[in-house]
Amino acid sequence: GAGVSQTPSNKVTEKGKYVELRCDPISGHTALYWYRQSLGQGPEFLIYFQGTGAADDSGLPNDRFFAVRPEGSVSTLKIQRTERGDSAVYLCASSPNSLAVTQYFGPGTRLTVL
Amino acid sequence: AQSVSQHNHHVILSEAASLELGCNYSYGGTVNLFWYVQYPGQHLQLLLKYFSGDPLVKGIKGFEAEFIKSKFSFNLRKPSVQWSDTAEYFCAVAGGSQGNLIFGKGTKLSVKP
Repeated sequence: GAGVSQTPSNKVTEKGKYVELRCDPISGHTALYWYRQSLGQGPEFLIYFQGTGAADDSGLPNDRFFAVRPEGSVSTLKIQRTERGDSAVYLCASSPNSLAVTQYFGPGTRLTVL
Repeated sequence: AQSVSQHNHHVILSEAASLELGCNYSYGGTVNLFWYVQYPGQHLQLLLKYFSGDPLVKGIKGFEAEFIKSKFSFNLRKPSVQWSDTAEYFCAVAGGSQGNLIFGKGTKLSVKP
């Protein structure tokens, strides 16, 4: 596709469950970012990949959150033992490289933890 | 730590009114500055960006922003808004080598026809 895609668009889960959120970046983009946007807030940085490796995971809130990008393209954000406070829109963005060029955002996955 | 402050939470204007949305950042080094827009039901889109050079940058749809280093500001402006400009606007700064963005809380703009 032409843009960044994310699936699912909506995810409703129960407290304590495990969820996976998928991001498909623009083809050829080596840099991939995950952000989380809570209601009334701007997006907050979670983790950044350059290629297959997580170059900066300083934004992950705790060890329940983990992300992978095994082949340097699609990335999966994994959340274990979900909590109600994890409810938010999870955004993915990609860019050709990490040198402060434009980031292209996907539509996001709205996660609701009941 | 870097931070971005947007002064207005919700701005309501009539069509043809002029717009200025405030943005201040805190970061001591070289910064790259962005304004993103999110129209209702759509994803974040880049409106304009400043990396270096002319501090007055022009973006899409008639928007412009001015980087004032001494004031740590990057305010967004548009001389005459349209109903279609109704959206949420986010200021962001990227510092360091990783390029991850620090966003403000956003300003919701409502334009009355």
